[in-house]
Amino acid sequence: DGGITQSPKYLFRKEGQNVTLSCEQNLNHDAMYWYRQDPGQGLRLIYYSQIVNDFQKGDIAEGYSVSREKKESFPLTVTSAQKNPTAFYLCASRTGINYGYTFGSGTRLTVV
Amino acid sequence: AQKITQTQPGMFVQEKEAVTLDCTYDTSDQSYGLFWYKQPSSGEMIFLIYQGSYDEQNATEGRYSLNFQKARKSANLVISASQLGDSAMYFCAMREGWSQGGKLIFGQGTELSVKP
Repeated sequence: DGGITQSPKYLFRKEGQNVTLSCEQNLNHDAMYWYRQDPGQGLRLIYYSQIVNDFQKGDIAEGYSVSREKKESFPLTVTSAQKNPTAFYLCASRTGINYGYTFGSGTRLTVV
Repeated sequence: AQKITQTQPGMFVQEKEAVTLDCTYDTSDQSYGLFWYKQPSSGEMIFLIYQGSYDEQNATEGRYSLNFQKARKSANLVISASQLGDSAMYFCAMREGWSQGGKLIFGQGTELSVKP
């Protein structure tokens, strides 16, 4: 079945380390998005990509980096510059139709 | 700037009763889309219903309906005949214009608790 796979489900990071969150889709969607969710809050956009080899910053891009070398993959790296990285991270993709957004199951990142 | 506002942090409803979750939005675009998502404690985002800005009829999907009042810029979600499984966080979201990447902007969410 088609969908978005995020891995790992849970991730623990020591302060000062970079970590990479995986997002893979087999839906043939062009656009992909990364959101951050803090407890009791809505989703905030980190980065998005509309086509391969192109991506744009969202509202809270500082301390994060992404790549889009393949249509299927949109990994997010949380760098040591991100001061408060503990959060729930959701990846999404979109077709050309209005309600064609699909979300992954998320990764919970905790700094220890 | 485009914005979504959900003013009800938490709501309680009795099982089998109807409940309305409020959502107001602000945009200068003529073409936009409004979505409602359900997020259970597992964290997944479940799509519930969509309303396009040019749609004249209110959207309905089973027990969910969207009360779209364009002039008031509101897009309230109505859940009829609430079930215990409806207990979750509910998010209203707006799609920005395609020239801006079709991004979704989310409200802060409403936590719905259904009482037996």
